[in-house]
Amino acid sequence: GAVVSQHPSRVICKSGTSVKIECRSLDFQATTMFWYRQFPKKSLMLMATSNEGSKATYEQGVEKDKFLINHASLTLSTLTVTSAHPEDSSFYICSARRSGQETQYFGPGTRLLVL
Amino acid sequence: GENVEQHPSTLSVQEGDSAVIKCTYSDSASNYFPWYKQELGKRPQLIIDIRSNVGEKKDQRIAVTLNKTAKHFSLHITETQPEDSAVYFCAASNSGYALNFGKGTSLLVTP
Repeated sequence: GAVVSQHPSRVICKSGTSVKIECRSLDFQATTMFWYRQFPKKSLMLMATSNEGSKATYEQGVEKDKFLINHASLTLSTLTVTSAHPEDSSFYICSARRSGQETQYFGPGTRLLVL
Repeated sequence: GENVEQHPSTLSVQEGDSAVIKCTYSDSASNYFPWYKQELGKRPQLIIDIRSNVGEKKDQRIAVTLNKTAKHFSLHITETQPEDSAVYFCAASNSGYALNFGKGTSLLVTP
């Protein structure tokens, strides 16, 4: 199989605090992981591409200092939303891809609510 | 960059009928085209994919066709069932690069 987990599944935080979301590939090594943001009834918007051992590549319009991504191992990538504000409230989903393969497997998502 | 257009945005069919969702893409270098099904509040699940060296692929009630010349690909679901109701996303990518998603089609299958 190809299972991707995310933690936490949902989080509520106060404005100004930072939130870390973990994405793990449980049964395979993921050289590349992707972070998406999804608004209600909308499509998945790619935020950044994360390669193990190197800096993430951010999409245009995504602030790299606000959305910190670390891909420290072949099974773990983290997204930290720094100084979160209500407009950061959203559904954040990661996906992972095996080396040399194109198929992306998605995590279950993290619902972030910033009060 | 790649631009993926998806139609229709909503589709309602009766149980047992077929459903067709169409996508077009702009980048002729794209060579991988997956389809994902997403139920409310859940993760997108890969249901079928096709690569540019193939024109058609079928898996039970689901089929995908690709026309590279016209740069469009379609998802066909036959004998639809209520549990097929979900949002379906098409995507396109060039090998090794990120997926570019369409805006999604909300499919409702009524009994």
